[in-house]
Amino acid sequence: GAVVSQHPSWVICKSGTSVKIECRSLDFQATTMFWYRQFPKQSLMLMATSNEGSKATYEQGVEKDKFLINHASLTLSTLTVTSAHPEDSSFYICSARRTGGYNEQFFGPGTRLTVL
Amino acid sequence: SQQGEEDPQALSIQEGENATMNCSYKTSINNLQWYRQNSGRGLVHLILIRSNEREKHSGRLRVTLDTSKKSSSLLITASRAADTASYFCATGTASKLTFGTGTRLQVTL
Repeated sequence: GAVVSQHPSWVICKSGTSVKIECRSLDFQATTMFWYRQFPKQSLMLMATSNEGSKATYEQGVEKDKFLINHASLTLSTLTVTSAHPEDSSFYICSARRTGGYNEQFFGPGTRLTVL
Repeated sequence: SQQGEEDPQALSIQEGENATMNCSYKTSINNLQWYRQNSGRGLVHLILIRSNEREKHSGRLRVTLDTSKKSSSLLITASRAADTASYFCATGTASKLTFGTGTRLQVTL
């Protein structure tokens, strides 16, 4: 149990376009989901915390108008990178915390975004 | 900023050897977790150790925690090629996890 999926697994887009990444908890409900960004050979940096039915909380330095997060249900959160630029190219990973669960976060497989 | 600093940054060993990686953190914690990440993939939760625990085992994994030194270690015994991955420690609350810098482990045949 506790499986998290992401779609797509990779995407290549042109500069200026918007890209939506989906994060789903497949066999549990997740009141809270998290979005991370990871550059090559670096650690995960938390971008934002997404709570079902409310606005996301963004970390300092993360542009909320550029990285739109929607958590419309207990099993789905989406991250939209708007007007993507080459510097947005990165590995985006989501995680989900089980409703009522302890500290453990269950991670998705990640989405590789390449902006040309 | 990173809560945890891990060392070594990279470790290369032969199959069958033990691998030890260390994590130091800065603030008080309730628990510390270790994750594994295969190249280009998401994270897999390995083990959680609470602040009142000193050692915990899971299969070939042994985690120790020294809250007085604000450090933890992950020992992988009898390593296998499939253990090749990056390993991250993480601290934090239910609302926010902060990851260490990671150790890249390479296990060769």
